[in-house]
Amino acid sequence: DSGVTQTPKHLITATGQRVTLRCSPRSGDLSVYWYQQSLDQGLQFLIQYYNGEERAKGNILERFSAQQFPDLHSELNLSSLELGDSALYFCASSVGDFNQPQHFGDGTRLSIL
Amino acid sequence: AQTVTQSQPEMSVQEAETVTLSCTYDTSENNYYLFWYKQPPSRQMILVIRQEAYKQQNATENRFSVNFQKAAKSFSLKISDSQLGDTAMYFCAFMKHEMDSNYQLIWGAGTKLIIKP
Repeated sequence: DSGVTQTPKHLITATGQRVTLRCSPRSGDLSVYWYQQSLDQGLQFLIQYYNGEERAKGNILERFSAQQFPDLHSELNLSSLELGDSALYFCASSVGDFNQPQHFGDGTRLSIL
Repeated sequence: AQTVTQSQPEMSVQEAETVTLSCTYDTSENNYYLFWYKQPPSRQMILVIRQEAYKQQNATENRFSVNFQKAAKSFSLKISDSQLGDTAMYFCAFMKHEMDSNYQLIWGAGTKLIIKP
């Protein structure tokens, strides 16, 4: 158990809809990262938050947005969903020190019908 | 920009054999960190091992060890006495030593490792 909690585990919705994925980092971790992993692909970095502030942005679409709340949990909002958004979405957290690894949640599997 | 290359899309070995997964990276940085993550069929992402670039000694975690060649920018993972549970995708990742709290990982494309009984 990594200590990172992601909900829901599975999400099935239709094109054009909007969903929110939630992540609770490990206790004491200040950084939260979001990744997208399409079928049989590597990880695509989306965005990072550190102590409530956006710190780095990767290949995140304009239809996607995220935030980190004062209690350090984070939400990833995906809107105007398309078939190609079907993927496994991972959240990871780290303490925020340079040499600390990222610990991953179990992911949310999003299926767009 | 940093890049990470895993040149072996797929490998398979017999149980109990030793296998080495290769990873090379490109960077102009001197201080950085390298990681190997494992993703079994359950799709969890599990940290296997990490290496600090300033350390000359190769990291070891039980059956997993790395061969870190800084000059060659190579970071291979050796799995000894492989077990069926080692079947997974293995990702190599790079993190540079940033001062602005940007701890972004740069990922390789992954190597699919199959351990055969």
